[in-house]
Amino acid sequence: EAGVAQSPRYKIIEKRQSVAFWCNPISGHATLYWYQQILGQGPKLLIQFQNNGVVDDSQLPKDRFSAERLKGVDSTLKIQPAKLEDSAVYLCASRDQAGGKLFFGSGTQLSVL
Amino acid sequence: GENVEQHPSTLSVQEGDSAVIKCTYSDSASNYFPWYKQELGKRPQLIIDIRSNVGEKKDQRIAVTLNKTAKHFSLHITETQPEDSAVYFCAAQIGTYKYIFGTGTRLKVLA
Repeated sequence: EAGVAQSPRYKIIEKRQSVAFWCNPISGHATLYWYQQILGQGPKLLIQFQNNGVVDDSQLPKDRFSAERLKGVDSTLKIQPAKLEDSAVYLCASRDQAGGKLFFGSGTQLSVL
Repeated sequence: GENVEQHPSTLSVQEGDSAVIKCTYSDSASNYFPWYKQELGKRPQLIIDIRSNVGEKKDQRIAVTLNKTAKHFSLHITETQPEDSAVYFCAAQIGTYKYIFGTGTRLKVLA
């Protein structure tokens, strides 16, 4: 079974620039998550999708972050404009419907200079 | 609010000894509690999980215990090996498949 795919693996940008991350979940997983993991901390939920609808985006800084999952499969997360404090690893995860297990992608490590 | 506390933040043990990591959750409706292992630069990997209708679950050298009354759950690793060195995260599922993670425990197994 293929895992959760994410790209790019690394990204370096300057503050105030924009950046986008892409995620393709495991086939058949209806629930998709974006997490932000700052160095030394646990993953923090940014947004949760069920198919193409948003279930929870209460922790998403909506003035600069946006995410979409238009066809209910792959998803993109965008930051515009980026701030220094956005430097983190952005993890995508999808949920196995039957067992409830969460599977993570390899993440995108973002450095904002 | 929704919260998962995890202790200790760092843990050093001698190879062959046991390690215990503890978590406390706030939402009494939580019913699923996974544990993840994250090696440096890699993705979190699920190592064991437990549901609220079970008090204990074991898989070879790792086990998880759950006390629903106290809203505590713990990860136990026996006969630790150097390859167990990593950061471990607990999590609790709340609401509609929302997962809240603890702050992580950096485990070092000293050879």
